[in-house]
Amino acid sequence: DTEVTQTPKHLVMGMTNKKSLKCEQHMGHRAMYWYKQKAKKPPELMFVYSYEKLSINESVPSRFSPECPNSSLLNLHLHALQPEDSALYLCASSREYGGPSGQPQHFGDGTRLSIL
Amino acid sequence: AQTVTQSQPEMSVQEAETVTLSCTYDTSESDYYLFWYKQPPSRQMILVIRQEAYKQQNATENRFSVNFQKAAKSFSLKISDSQLGDAAMYFCAYRSAQTGGGADGLTFGKGTHLIIQP
Repeated sequence: DTEVTQTPKHLVMGMTNKKSLKCEQHMGHRAMYWYKQKAKKPPELMFVYSYEKLSINESVPSRFSPECPNSSLLNLHLHALQPEDSALYLCASSREYGGPSGQPQHFGDGTRLSIL
Repeated sequence: AQTVTQSQPEMSVQEAETVTLSCTYDTSESDYYLFWYKQPPSRQMILVIRQEAYKQQNATENRFSVNFQKAAKSFSLKISDSQLGDAAMYFCAYRSAQTGGGADGLTFGKGTHLIIQP
């Protein structure tokens, strides 16, 4: 069983819909991440949250809006997505952010998103 | 910027045999971390092994071991006694020891698809 839980596992939405992806961890980790993974490609970093504050936004379009309501929860709000946004969205967490700790990131199972 | 290269898109090995997956990287930093992650069809990225660049000793985890050559910027993964459950996509990943500016994110190679022949 994964220690990082993502819901839903699958999501199909139209280009005008608004939906949200949810990620939860109860390991006491203070850094959380969103990655996007296209088929047969490696994951690409989208956002990093450290202590509930957005630390990194890798030039992601504004139709993706992250939110970290508390240290255990990370959301990704979706609005007016394009067909090219169809991908696997992975959430990860690590004990802390940055620095010389080298703490590994623990990943969830991902949400498979399809845009019609 | 750092880059990670996995030159083997696909590898095949007989069950119980040993296989080595290659990974090279490019960086100007002296301190960093390297990881191997496994992603089976179930999609979850699973940490296989971790190596600190300042440690000369190669990391091992049961049947998994690495050959870390810092000067050559090489970080290969050896899987001994291959099992059917080892079949997956394997990603090599780099993480800077610095903080900020995207340093905390993982930079992944393109992956190697490992097939285990029964």
